[in-house]
Amino acid sequence: DIQMTQSPSSLSASVGDRVTITCRASQDITNFLVWFQQKPGKAPKSLIYAASTLQSGVPSRFSGSGSGTDFTLTISSLQPEDFATYYCQQYHSYPLTFGPGTKVEIK
Amino acid sequence: QVQLVQSGTEVKKPGASVKVSCEASGYTFTDYYMHWVRQAPGQGLEWMGWINPKSGATNFAHRFSGRLTMTRDTSISTAYMELSTLTSDDTAVYYCARDQDFWSGCSDHWGQGTLLTVSS
Repeated sequence: DIQMTQSPSSLSASVGDRVTITCRASQDITNFLVWFQQKPGKAPKSLIYAASTLQSGVPSRFSGSGSGTDFTLTISSLQPEDFATYYCQQYHSYPLTFGPGTKVEIK
Repeated sequence: QVQLVQSGTEVKKPGASVKVSCEASGYTFTDYYMHWVRQAPGQGLEWMGWINPKSGATNFAHRFSGRLTMTRDTSISTAYMELSTLTSDDTAVYYCARDQDFWSGCSDHWGQGTLLTVSS
């Protein structure tokens, strides 16, 4: 199974800050990576797929990059509605596996 | 618009089984695989398996083999996930999630989740 790790596990940031979250795969997954945002009590929401393609309707302040084993999610200017937990997930091979999540909190 | 509506909260005793439904609308049900993912309280996301609604074929994560069943009823565009021999470790929110590209493993729409509590 492909193991996914994320860093940091949590971070505190202010509105307007630039935030970067890192995801690493235990083997090459080319660009088969999706980023989800999850708010408490809600289902995950797809933000970015194929490592860097913005899902329809997602604000352009979200961006993704990377290939192979190392990936990043960047929020260019953090907004109040962005405080949530973010997960990466590989879909290069089954079983699908998720990172442990990064919780973005208000400073 | 695509919608996945799941059945309601369940409370089961250890050793029992649970069957969760996921009714799809807004697209052709048989055109996209359906995944099931669970999330234990305060924990991360865990993929359980998929079903091909067209053929009924399934694929499960190894840890669930033997006690997980996925079925579908194409006449009512509904997928089902049944988990047997429940233990307290199965307490979680269970989600169905539509595959974005038929079988890619990338999901774009999720159900609202079904909370399962396993307790004696």
